Amino acid sequence: GAGVSQTPSNKVTEKGKYVELRCDPISGHTALYWYRQSLGQGPEFLIYFQGTGAADDSGLPNDRFFAVRPEGSVSTLKIQRTERGDSAVYLCASSLTVRAEQYFGPGTRLTVT
Amino acid sequence: AQSVTQLDSQVPVFEEAPVELRCNYSSSVSVYLFWYVQYPNQGLQLLLKYLSGSTLVKGINGFEAEFNKSQTSFHLRKPSVHISDTAEYFCAAYNQAGTALIFGKGTTLSVSS
Repeated sequence: GAGVSQTPSNKVTEKGKYVELRCDPISGHTALYWYRQSLGQGPEFLIYFQGTGAADDSGLPNDRFFAVRPEGSVSTLKIQRTERGDSAVYLCASSLTVRAEQYFGPGTRLTVT
Repeated sequence: AQSVTQLDSQVPVFEEAPVELRCNYSSSVSVYLFWYVQYPNQGLQLLLKYLSGSTLVKGINGFEAEFNKSQTSFHLRKPSVHISDTAEYFCAAYNQAGTALIFGKGTTLSVSS
């Protein structure tokens, strides 16, 4: 079956601009997660959705970052006033239930110039 | 603090040799443990998981891991590696709340002939 998909695969933007990153989870997975991976590091948690609600957003670095999942399926990560330090690969994952294995998408590589 | 520690940042081995990639977790994380592999320019792929039950877990591509509660370890092993196993390997554990995976910094496995 189809895995987790993310678009775009690459995004280059100028400092100060607004960007949206999209994640389409595996069908039927109620849990959705966003992570950020910098070069040479493991993924770092950003936010977790159970259904439509953000059950844990403790990993969002500041209020420039926001994510939604309005219908309990597709999610969008939104970054306002991008900074060069936001450059990273943004990973999305989904799982069937809580505390289950997470399946990752290929990621969106964000470069802020 | 909740943490996962991968003790080796790089492991070089020759083809057909055995390999062990070490992972320790803090006592404050959940014992829902995972190993993921990341090939160059690809997303994370699940290798194996420990959720409960037998402490020896078998995964894909001939890998296995042993959960050791007393030593808070979850080391990954393969008896004979191939060139194609060259990749970045990440150990991960759910946080206590079960809302996020905490990743180690990764181990680069380099297999040469």
